[in-house]
Amino acid sequence: DVKVTQSSRYLVKRTGEKVFLECVQDMDHENMFWYRQDPGLGLRLIYFSYDVKMKEKGDIPEGYSVSREKKERFSLILESASTNQTSMYLCASSLAGLAVEQYFGPGTRLTVT
Amino acid sequence: AQTVTQSQPEMSVQEAETVTLSCTYDTSENNYYLFWYKQPPSRQMILVIRQEAYKQQNATENRFSVNFQKAAKSFSLKISDSQLGDTAMYFCASETSGSRLTFGEGTQLTVNP
Repeated sequence: DVKVTQSSRYLVKRTGEKVFLECVQDMDHENMFWYRQDPGLGLRLIYFSYDVKMKEKGDIPEGYSVSREKKERFSLILESASTNQTSMYLCASSLAGLAVEQYFGPGTRLTVT
Repeated sequence: AQTVTQSQPEMSVQEAETVTLSCTYDTSENNYYLFWYKQPPSRQMILVIRQEAYKQQNATENRFSVNFQKAAKSFSLKISDSQLGDTAMYFCASETSGSRLTFGEGTQLTVNP
């Protein structure tokens, strides 16, 4: 079974802190994604990566950056956390191609105070 | 740009009955793919069913089936013989290229005993 893990289930940070969210997948998937999930807004894509060291902006990249130094690991970085970044963050991975299933991690609920 | 709309924020159904969740989408692409994902309470998001737009036959997976109306850009999910384990948030999503999904707002389904 594909397994996607995220470093924390719950995280509380202060405004202005630098925050790292880590995601690891164990199925050698080419694609990895970071979404944020907010009530009434569904899932919105922040960044995605098709390969190591490659990244593409999603729909809401402002205030975020990413890093993919190894195929299995995709990190989301909040350079200076703000209260409007309080949200559920979901990581996903998939094989390359069309109509492929995305496999999701359990999510990290981040609160910025 | 693609948009996906789920107009029912919440729905409920009695166990063993049938329920239909609505989804509409907007795309200018000729070829695209549509998905329903399920997010059970405190559990990871999983794929329920997928449909390729060039296939006229509606996809079916056990108790789950879709009603794909291409001209109307409608993609509803029918759950037959509802079970308590079907209680979840359901997301409709579309993909046109590069494995990148656009999600709807979600519908919270509650199955009542």
